[in-house]
Amino acid sequence: RKEVEQDPGPFNVPEGATVAFNCTYSNSASQSFFWYRQDCRKEPKLLMSVYSSGNEDGRFTAQLNRASQYISLLIRDSKLSDSATYLCVVTDNAGNMLTFGGGTRLMVKP
Amino acid sequence: DAGVTQSPTHLIKTRGQQVTLRCSPKSGHDTVSWYQQALGQGPQFIFQYYEEEERQRGNFPDRFSGHQFPNYSSELNVNALLLGDSALYLCASSLFRTSGSFTDTQYFGPGTRLTVL
Repeated sequence: RKEVEQDPGPFNVPEGATVAFNCTYSNSASQSFFWYRQDCRKEPKLLMSVYSSGNEDGRFTAQLNRASQYISLLIRDSKLSDSATYLCVVTDNAGNMLTFGGGTRLMVKP
Repeated sequence: DAGVTQSPTHLIKTRGQQVTLRCSPKSGHDTVSWYQQALGQGPQFIFQYYEEEERQRGNFPDRFSGHQFPNYSSELNVNALLLGDSALYLCASSLFRTSGSFTDTQYFGPGTRLTVL
């Protein structure tokens, strides 16, 4: 079983749609959780951190369920510019080493 | 504020050769981590350097080694290259929190794309 699992997609959605990505992780001692965005042939960029209380940044909402070891990302009112690969990331119990999921590819179409 | 920089951007080598990749961390950061990203996969952790020492290592063979300099910049060396080493090599920098063992958010450089023929 992979340490961090994501549906690879692709998710093909029209502009304005709401789309949700899920991620599960195996290490119950993981300390920190993130969503990164990666454009084609570019480096990953931090999209947002994920907290148990849930957090929102504009059209993006992230949620962590520690009991189920599950992380989610919701994108509302999708834009063409949201097309990218979204990487679910967890740290080890010391918060040092990042473990990435394989990524979920999103394609937003006009 | 200079971000993370890496050199070279692209590199082509043949099997058995050795390669050195370089990384300069974001201004104010003191910790450097290296990741390997094969095509279509997420990045995989290679190792992390802090205070010029390797602090943590992922599941990579000894052919992969590194170094951190007093100015916090870092090198990744790969010996005896294999075809399977072809990947995007990413460097990420962060600031070690003196209040505990947790590192701050990691910021990635643009990567070095290595092709092994």
